[in-house]
Parts: sequence; C-alpha cells; structure tokens
Amino acid sequence: EVQVVESGGGLVQPGGSLRLSCAASGFSFRSYDVTWVRQAPGKGLEWLSFLSKNGVYTNYADSLKGRFTISRDTAQNSVYLQMNSLRAEDTAIYYCARTQWYYFDYWGPGTLVTVSS
Amino acid sequence: QSALTQPASVSGSPGQSITISCTGTNNDIGNYNLVSWYQQHPGKAPKLMIYEVTKRPSGVSNRFSGSKSGNTASLIFSGLQAEDEADYYCCSYAGGSWVFGGGTKLTVL
Repeated sequence: EVQVVESGGGLVQPGGSLRLSCAASGFSFRSYDVTWVRQAPGKGLEWLSFLSKNGVYTNYADSLKGRFTISRDTAQNSVYLQMNSLRAEDTAIYYCARTQWYYFDYWGPGTLVTVSS
Repeated sequence: QSALTQPASVSGSPGQSITISCTGTNNDIGNYNLVSWYQQHPGKAPKLMIYEVTKRPSGVSNRFSGSKSGNTASLIFSGLQAEDEADYYCCSYAGGSWVFGGGTKLTVL
C-alpha cells in the first residue's frame, strides 16, 4: 500500500528552524518526484517545493525567498524540508505529496508547524 | 505566481449537477493541459479527483468530470451526493512550479 507520512512539526519561535520529514512506504522516491504543500489555518493550499526523482532538480515558491531547502535520503526513502528564519506566517499544516508527472496522487496526513513566541 | 481564481462557495441539492470554475492565465491553465482537482474534507488531507484536465484516478466516481476552455478549467458534478460536501481546489502546472486556486466550499443542501 502506498503511503506517505510527515513528521517533525511543532512549536518554534520566530527566527527559528525546523526540519520536516516525509517517509514513504509502498514505493521509492527514486521512482517518483515529491512536492511539499502547506495550508495555513482556515486558508487554501500553497505549493512550496519540488524535488525530482533523480534528486537533481529542485524548485521553490518565490514566496519562500531562499529560506526553505528540500532534500532526500534514498537509503531512508525519505524527503526533508529544512525551514529556516521562520515567521508567524509560516504557521500551517505541511503536506508531502507523491508527484506523478504533473499532479499529486498520494498525500500524507500533514504535520502542523506553529511559529510563535 | 498569483493564485488561480475559484468561487468561494457553491451549493446544490442532492441529485443536482453543478460546476466549479477555476480561472488562471496564459502562464498556467491557458498554456498547459495539466490541471488537477483535489477534494478536502475537514481535518483531512487533500485527495486527487481529476488530473490532466479530464482524467479520473482509479476509484474516483464517474460523477466527477473535468474540462478546460482557454484560461478556465471546470470541475463538474453530475448528481450531487451528501458526501460530496467538501472543499475543492484546482491546481495548474505553471512551467517548473505549480499554482493552486483559493478553494471552493461545496455545500449540499
């Protein structure tokens, strides 16, 4: 069964850092691209970042301004989102989604990140 | 990238057919046949309902269909059911990135 599960969310102070993890089962991130999407409380979905299945190509939303970095560990079959210089407006549920060509076919349950002092 | 434009809410009665629109630009919807739609129930993760404008994943009811004309995509419900009540988001590839719509809350009366 295909599953993705996010972890690593929590409460962090403004200016702090957090690393989110996305673990896959039932498939390999060597065979599929992956995308991070977030959803602020009561708001819509926002595309954040993409990592190609060969691990070479990455892309980020302009709004992140270089604060976030996507990476992976193929041995662990996991993808990560390193988030630095966090702001209150980064408070959201963060979703990892398996990416099949140009759409997101399997989503994790999400992990909540709260940025507050 | 600006968000795609969706109506904030739509409603319909059981058995009724309704459409949710999603308007973008020549840089996203108008340039690619790569629109997808996602259903999200409260407190749940999004679920893929339509991809590549008109295709349905295995397991998604054929009551859901999609279309596109110019810079506007549409999600069509044929015969609303109570369980269709949810938020719906369109998404388009935009040349190396993706852009979502603001979401539409569907209420089944």
